[in-house]
Amino acid sequence: GAVVSQHPSWVICKSGTSVKIECRSLDFQATTMFWYRQFPKQSLMLMATSNEGSKATYEQGVEKDKFLINHASLTLSTLTVTSAHPEDSSFYICSALSGRQGFNYGYTFGSGTRLTVV
Amino acid sequence: AQSVSQHNHHVILSEAASLELGCNYSYGGTVNLFWYVQYPGQHLQLLLKYFSGDPLVKGIKGFEAEFIKSKFSFNLRKPSVQWSDTAEYFCAVNAREMRAQKLVFGQGTRLTINP
Repeated sequence: GAVVSQHPSWVICKSGTSVKIECRSLDFQATTMFWYRQFPKQSLMLMATSNEGSKATYEQGVEKDKFLINHASLTLSTLTVTSAHPEDSSFYICSALSGRQGFNYGYTFGSGTRLTVV
Repeated sequence: AQSVSQHNHHVILSEAASLELGCNYSYGGTVNLFWYVQYPGQHLQLLLKYFSGDPLVKGIKGFEAEFIKSKFSFNLRKPSVQWSDTAEYFCAVNAREMRAQKLVFGQGTRLTINP
């Protein structure tokens, strides 16, 4: 089945620094990937939709200059948290869309990245 | 815009009890519906999904869900739960006509099964 690899699984960084999170589809091509943020004991909030070769589409209220998304190839999307602050500490999850409507269509999730900003 | 509502925030059951978790969505068009499970410390896993056809969908681990279009509902059921079903359960919807294909999640239901 489809597999999505997300790295790192956890990271601790100092306030003011930037952190890059990678999301790779290992055995399929993903023209569309999604980035979510999950607060403790809460649901997944969609941050942005990443399309290969084009700019990401951000959800309302998400700062595009703080959360930089790059989808340079059909198997890799990256999320960079710039000038991180403690309030950016969270669990970030990527998801890749696989298949076509009605045929193996589904969303495969990465294992998530726990970001702690100190 | 789509939205998903899961009515039960935390459900506590004993082993062998029957389970039903509610999920309602708001969107007037055609939707794809999903239930995901997140075990402690693990990533989201697909339990089942509905695209079209038989509204009663069977998934993994003995779970099933019924799509009732008139009620905009997609409730998850299991006739007899096990301790290992303790996890967080998420209902999710995507609008088939939308190019964005984004998946919108409900708030999640935490299920605790007591042995």
